[in-house]
Formats: sequence, C-alpha cells, structure tokens
Amino acid sequence: KAGVTQTPRYLIKTRGQQVTLSCSPISGHRSVSWYQQTPGQGLQFLFEYFSETQRNKGNFPGRFSGRQFSNSRSEMNVSTLELGDSALYLCASRGNPGGYRETQYFGPGTRLLVL
Amino acid sequence: KQEVTQIPAALSVPEGENLVLNCSFTDSAIYNLQWFRQDPGKGLTSLLLIQSSQREQTSGRLNASLDKSSGRSTLYIAASQPGDSATYLCAVIAGTSYGKLTFGQGTILTVHP
Repeated sequence: KAGVTQTPRYLIKTRGQQVTLSCSPISGHRSVSWYQQTPGQGLQFLFEYFSETQRNKGNFPGRFSGRQFSNSRSEMNVSTLELGDSALYLCASRGNPGGYRETQYFGPGTRLLVL
Repeated sequence: KQEVTQIPAALSVPEGENLVLNCSFTDSAIYNLQWFRQDPGKGLTSLLLIQSSQREQTSGRLNASLDKSSGRSTLYIAASQPGDSATYLCAVIAGTSYGKLTFGQGTILTVHP
C-alpha cells in the first residue's frame, strides 16, 4: 500500500506570494491533518479534514486555509506569504476519523522557503 | 491547554546502551499517546501508540509506558544502535480534538559506534 504522498517536496517563494501544497492520503483513509514544523515552534497543528469538511483548526491566521476533495486528497493554501511561513509542512492521514485508536501516518513533507 | 514536554532535549550515548526518553503532558484526559521518530529533513514514522486504557506497548527493542494519572510516558530503547539516531517525538490526542496531535519538542538522540 502506498504511503502518504506530498507535492511538491520543495518550494521557494517570495514574500507576498501565495502557495498551494497537496497531500494524497493512504488509499482508503478519509481523514487528513496538516502540521507546520519550524525549529522554534516545533510541530503545530493546522487543521483536519474528513469527508471534505474541516473538523478542527489550530491557532493560525486566516491566511492558512485548506480543503479536501471527494477522493480524500487535500490541499493547503497560504496566501500573502511571510518570512515566518518558512517551514516543513507535513500532512498525515488515518483511516477511521472517529478512531482515535488509530495511528496517524505522515508524509515526507513539503519544505517551503520564503525569501 | 494541553502542553507536552520532553526530557532530555538531546542525548548522546555509546552503542549498546539501554536508554529512556521521557514525555510529560499537562492534561491527563487523553485518548492516546504516540511516539514518533523523525530523521533529519524527513517526515514522521510512528513507533508506538498507547491507548489511554493501556499501560504499555512493545515493538522489538522499543517499549513505551503510559501513566495517565501522573501525565507521563517513557520510551525505553534497548541495546541502542547507531541507526537509532534520530529525533524522537511524543504526541497526545485529547478530548474532542479529533485528529489534532499535540507534540513535544522532541529528544535528539545520537548513538555513536
């Protein structure tokens, strides 16, 4: 079974631009979560989607948004990029969204550098 | 607000040593606790998941324990190897937070030959 895939793997943008990151969950998984990882703040939760609905949201500004498609693939968008948005963005999927007994499986991440 | 703390922040040991990584959390109303491994620049690999009703989980040379009442978990690594060098992260899911994992800052482990 293929794992969680994320595209692109690396991105360089300039301040003020916007960016869209993509995540394809493990086949059959319906829940996708997004996290931001920085050296200073560590791993922080952005949001979780299930059945195209956002179920939970972290403490990030409205510039960060996401969506999920009917095939469970998810995209994350960051508008008006700031230098502080430079980070590794990770997505994770799990099979049973109510099943907190289940492991979350992480993708390799997208490394975003904002200049 | 759930906070997760990991001690020590970094650990360097010679190959073959048994070692313990510590994780503490402030809100004991958790559903589960997971230990992850992260290699430099890579994603996270799940090592062990402990349900709130469980006391420990084992996988190979790894053993994780959970004491919910005291808000603590430990990851025990037996007979460490250089390939175990990585950052180890613990994370909890609590309350109605669905898929939200709250992570500690991690322990950077270096095992030298």
